[in-house]
Amino acid sequence: DGGITQSPKYLFRKEGQNVTLSCEQNLNHDAMYWYRQDPGQGLRLIYYSQIVNDFQKGDIAEGYSVSREKKESFPLTVTSAQKNPTAFYLCASSIVAHSNSNQPQHFGDGTRLSIL
Amino acid sequence: DQQVKQNSPSLSVQEGRISILNCDYTNSMFDYFLWYKKYPAEGPTFLISISSIKDKNEDGRFTVFLNKSAKHLSLHIVPSQPGDSAVYFCAAIVRAGNNRKLIWGLGTSLAVNP
Repeated sequence: DGGITQSPKYLFRKEGQNVTLSCEQNLNHDAMYWYRQDPGQGLRLIYYSQIVNDFQKGDIAEGYSVSREKKESFPLTVTSAQKNPTAFYLCASSIVAHSNSNQPQHFGDGTRLSIL
Repeated sequence: DQQVKQNSPSLSVQEGRISILNCDYTNSMFDYFLWYKKYPAEGPTFLISISSIKDKNEDGRFTVFLNKSAKHLSLHIVPSQPGDSAVYFCAAIVRAGNNRKLIWGLGTSLAVNP
């Protein structure tokens, strides 16, 4: 079945550590996105990528980094510079970037990151 | 400042009745609107969308209505089923420079009671 896989589902990090969240899709989508959801807030865009080897900052990119070396994969690293990393992280993909069309985004099931 | 507002954090309806979820927006440049449904511990799932040039779009039990003059859209689910119990997000697309940006509401939690 085609879809988006995020792993792990739950992740714990010690203060000062970097941690990488995995996102893989087999939908052959060009565009991929990372969002963060906090209680009582909507989804906020961290980074997005329209094509391999290219990505752009979203609204809250500080303290995060990404890479897009393969079409299928868009890992997100939460660095120690992110002061409040505890959140639910959602990865999404779409046929083309939302910058070019109205194509809906398809989401993974999320990773919940907690600080120990 | 929230450009897409879902003013009701929760809604409870009886099975078989109509569920109406509301969404208001402030930016007249929004030209496309989407509704997503989210179950706990899962990612949002696309439900239905509408272009700003239309005032209604229907897909099975789901209908979205758009009132541009009031900057208001609503999602109607009829008849409501217990499996519809989820959080529903309204989202809007706006042109931002050379890009188009997706703006999300905070969601409305729908409970459909058997």
